[in-house]
Amino acid sequence: NAGVTQTPKFRILKIGQSMTLQCTQDMNHNYMYWYRQDPGMGLKLIYYSVGAGITDKGEVPNGYNVSRSTTEDFPLRLELAAPSQTSVYFCASSLTLPRSGDYEQYFGPGTRLTVT
Amino acid sequence: GDSVTQMEGPVTLSEEAFLTINCTYTATGYPSLFWYVQYPGEGLQLLLKATKADDKGSNKGFEATYRKETTSFHLEKGSVQVSDSAVYFCALRGATNKLIFGTGTLLAVQP
Repeated sequence: NAGVTQTPKFRILKIGQSMTLQCTQDMNHNYMYWYRQDPGMGLKLIYYSVGAGITDKGEVPNGYNVSRSTTEDFPLRLELAAPSQTSVYFCASSLTLPRSGDYEQYFGPGTRLTVT
Repeated sequence: GDSVTQMEGPVTLSEEAFLTINCTYTATGYPSLFWYVQYPGEGLQLLLKATKADDKGSNKGFEATYRKETTSFHLEKGSVQVSDSAVYFCALRGATNKLIFGTGTLLAVQP
């Protein structure tokens, strides 16, 4: 199992450009998440998905969009990039079943994005 | 709302020293508590967890006890190694069913 993979590892964008951060998991997990990590801050949840075709906003969704057409893939789209979106982005997944107790989230290695 | 507060870093220790990283939380109800570790250039990995009061989570020589009376979940290790150098995140999962992370504590262990 590759686990959770993310591409690209690094990217520099100009203000106003758009891009898609890719995330794929091969563990057949139903839940997937996107977080951003700003320097000196904890991770903030951007969007999450409980299964294919279902997505919902997290704590900081503005400026981002997501889709979940398959169980494996959960891309994050940045439209009109702004300097405030400079951050490290982590994708995660978990197998979460009703009343299953505490499920572990598995994280990808991250994408470091700079918007200038 | 729910929140996690952990000690500021960086924490710099010599090899074989005792480690404590403090973590306190605010939450309604009975959250589950976690420690995640992030090694350089990698994503976060679950280190240990505790799901109810007085539970002790342990892994790789690290321990943390869920203390409801002090709303704390401090991470400890008796003898750190250079390979333990990483960023450590305390987190909780509460009523919203989502993970709430602390700001992370950088640990640097010198030989």
